[in-house]
Amino acid sequence: IVMTQSPVTLSVSPGERATLSCRASQSIRRNLAWYQQKPGQAPKLLIYGASTRAASIPARFSGSGSETEFTLTISSLQSEDFAVYYCQQYDNWPPWTFGQGTKVEI
Amino acid sequence: QALLVESGGGVVHPARSLTLSCTVSAFGISSVTMAWVRQAPGKGLEWVSLISYDGTDKYYADSVKGRFNISRDNSKNTVYLHMNSLRPNDTAVYFCAKMKLALYFDLWGQGTLVTVSS
Repeated sequence: IVMTQSPVTLSVSPGERATLSCRASQSIRRNLAWYQQKPGQAPKLLIYGASTRAASIPARFSGSGSETEFTLTISSLQSEDFAVYYCQQYDNWPPWTFGQGTKVEI
Repeated sequence: QALLVESGGGVVHPARSLTLSCTVSAFGISSVTMAWVRQAPGKGLEWVSLISYDGTDKYYADSVKGRFNISRDNSKNTVYLHMNSLRPNDTAVYFCAKMKLALYFDLWGQGTLVTVSS
């Protein structure tokens, strides 16, 4: 299953809303996770099951969607949210596949 | 404190071998599915391999099948990635990750860099 994220880069001001998209090449139901990766760091799980926040993830992060279209929304961007975000499907494996990433920049 | 610590990376010549280790602290891995994910310089994430909690099930990406072997020693709380016939395009940071069942990656190590170059 091919995962396609858009846009490649998203320029947003602090306090604004960011909307990131992820599309699957076939239905993955709601078997999607989102990760955040900051430079030089490991990825961090944000969302699983398309919309369930992982432990300790702030409520400003929300996920939605099903089948082939998914969205990660950051309601009010904080300085620490500028990073690269990846989606990953786990409906049909192996392989477990990631999108190519969306960079959220100032 | 680091919960998953990778080691064994370095510079290696093409066609040579290298073994990575991932030692886990703070929890036992005997009931946990573990995986390796890599990231080439400036690129995205690529799943490499997965091993079930007891080592009976192993999966590999097509790009490494037949060259890489994943194993685990639950008594040492350690997972290994044995990499053979290395190629320049295997150059990447290799992350060890704990998986929730065999679904998503809920805990990651900091990674170890493998550079394949002559």
